[in-house]
Amino acid sequence: EDKVVQSPLSLVVHEGDTVTLNCSYEVTNFRSLLWYKQEKKAPTFLFMLTSSGIEKKSGRLSSILDKKELFSILNITATQTGDSAVYLCAVAPAGTASKLTFGTGTRLQVTL
Amino acid sequence: DAGVTQSPTHLIKTRGQHVTLRCSPISGHKSVSWYQQVLGQGPQFIFQYYEKEERGRGNFPDRFSARQFPNYSSELNVNALLLGDSALYLCASSRTDRGMSGYTFGSGTRLTVV
Repeated sequence: EDKVVQSPLSLVVHEGDTVTLNCSYEVTNFRSLLWYKQEKKAPTFLFMLTSSGIEKKSGRLSSILDKKELFSILNITATQTGDSAVYLCAVAPAGTASKLTFGTGTRLQVTL
Repeated sequence: DAGVTQSPTHLIKTRGQHVTLRCSPISGHKSVSWYQQVLGQGPQFIFQYYEKEERGRGNFPDRFSARQFPNYSSELNVNALLLGDSALYLCASSRTDRGMSGYTFGSGTRLTVV
């Protein structure tokens, strides 16, 4: 059974800090790893990673995948209060069914 | 373009009742997936439909069923509701069955079973 473990479960940082969120996974036939931000209800898409060692960036957020060690990190630099949310990591297997397996998420709170 | 729309947004049902949740995907998206998110947990896969055919099913009892219509909208049905079915039900759409262009989630339906 596919499995995703995220750490830490929660953290509180001050505005301006840099944070690193971790995601390790076990999947039978890996196709991609995805990061989502969930503030209230709808998870919003951040990144999809399929290739190892290639960093994806979007503004202050970046992510990288290590397919050999089966993990990914999500970095957020110069955090802002608007970054407060639950960050979800998910893996998608190869094959015809798009079944995402999610971790429990990391709850990030950014304080002033 | 409208995003993924789900209805209703909130719902309260009594144990033993039946519920139908609805999802309209983004225009041009042919795949719809359903997820259950219990408080404090990540979303858990229930079903995926593509071109009106079931393409995947998660570890949920037969009380859960779904279908996809010719316009690619979808319904999730849950019979004989249990207290443990209380959760946020999320719908995600993608262009293809393999989601290579990513998945877009709706805002969900909050179901409370009392």
